[in-house]
Amino acid sequence: DIQMTQSPSSLSASVGDRVIITCRASQNIARHLNWFQQKTGKAPKLLIYDASTLQSGVSSRFSGSGSGTDFTLTISSLQPDDFATYYCQQSFSGRTFGPGTKVDIK
Amino acid sequence: EVQLLESGGGLKQPGGSLRLSCAASGFIFRNFAMNWVRQAPGQGLEWVATVAAGGGGSTYYADSVKGRFTISRDNSNNTLYLQMNTLRVEDTAVYYCAKDRLVQSVMDSWGQGTLVTVSS
Repeated sequence: DIQMTQSPSSLSASVGDRVIITCRASQNIARHLNWFQQKTGKAPKLLIYDASTLQSGVSSRFSGSGSGTDFTLTISSLQPDDFATYYCQQSFSGRTFGPGTKVDIK
Repeated sequence: EVQLLESGGGLKQPGGSLRLSCAASGFIFRNFAMNWVRQAPGQGLEWVATVAAGGGGSTYYADSVKGRFTISRDNSNNTLYLQMNTLRVEDTAVYYCAKDRLVQSVMDSWGQGTLVTVSS
């Protein structure tokens, strides 16, 4: 089974900060990597799929990169609406989520 | 607009059974693979099961539920199901249904979730 890890597990940041979250797969998953945002008590929301393709309607301040085993999600300028938990998820073999990265207010 | 509405959650004793439903609208249901994903209280997301598009003959399960849960679909009623048998305390979670993108294993639309509590 493919295992996913994320770092950091949590971070504190200010509005306007550039935020980078990393995700690592236990084996090569090519570009079959998706990113979700989840706010407390709400369903997850797809942000990016296939490592770097922005989902329709998602702000361009979100971007993704990487391939193989190492991936990043970047928020170029953190906005108040962005405080949430972010999950990576592989879809190369089965579907596995990372443990999440909680982004809160500094 | 895609809408997914889960129902059927509740309180069950260990060893019991429960069937979750997800009513879909706003898209051609039979053309899309569908999924169940769960989230235990205060924990992360866990994929549970997937049923392929079309007749639903192909199904896939997480090891944690294999042999106990069954995913199915009724394309005539645009409804996704999850039959949950031999429930365990660790099955306690919010269960979400999620639609895949067309011919891609990417969950692009989610329901609001239904809470399943397994406790004696």
